[in-house]
Amino acid sequence: AQSVTQPDIHITVSEGASLELRCNYSYGATPYLFWYVQSPGQGLQLLLKYFSGDTLVQGIKGFEAEFKRSQSSFNLRKPSVHWSDAAEYFCAVGLIQGAQKLVFGQGTRLTINP
Amino acid sequence: DVKVTQSSRYLVKRTGEKVFLECVQDMDHENMFWYRQDPGLGLRLIYFSYDVKMKEKGDIPEGYSVSREKKERFSLILESASTNQTSMYLCASSPRLIEAFFGQGTRLTVV
Repeated sequence: AQSVTQPDIHITVSEGASLELRCNYSYGATPYLFWYVQSPGQGLQLLLKYFSGDTLVQGIKGFEAEFKRSQSSFNLRKPSVHWSDAAEYFCAVGLIQGAQKLVFGQGTRLTINP
Repeated sequence: DVKVTQSSRYLVKRTGEKVFLECVQDMDHENMFWYRQDPGLGLRLIYFSYDVKMKEKGDIPEGYSVSREKKERFSLILESASTNQTSMYLCASSPRLIEAFFGQGTRLTVV
């Protein structure tokens, strides 16, 4: 069965430090890949997406992610975090064979220390 | 901008009540989804629909049903609310999975 794993439930980094959030997926073909962010009390906002082509994709708010087929990973990075990046981050796989739907990981809560 | 509107931000219902959660999108998207969000479990798909009057079960459909009579509206129904259905419910729409757009969510408490 298709699945998405975010190994880190909670990460704390200092403001200005670099960030990497991990995401691994299990799927029989190359999927569509997404990262979403959820601020407290809000819905989900798309940060970036990968469909094909260049494996390093740029998103909004200074985020980027790299697709590594050999590792079945799609890790999210930011060189320098800001206090406003504190939120929950979700990785998702878009299943395009059969019924189209998104499968989400468990989420990673990011806390920023001043 | 795409807008997905959920009818309520907060709801409190009693055990055994029939509960309706409404979702409307304004971009003529084919696909609509209902997710449930619980801490540590991420988003779990309850039901989805890829066309009017069409519906498909997701991963956790038990205790829920849906209705899609018009393309822009997708309703989630809790036939007989129970306390274990206390959760955040998120509606989303997408044009063939290019990108899913989410509503603000409805936080439902069943007492």
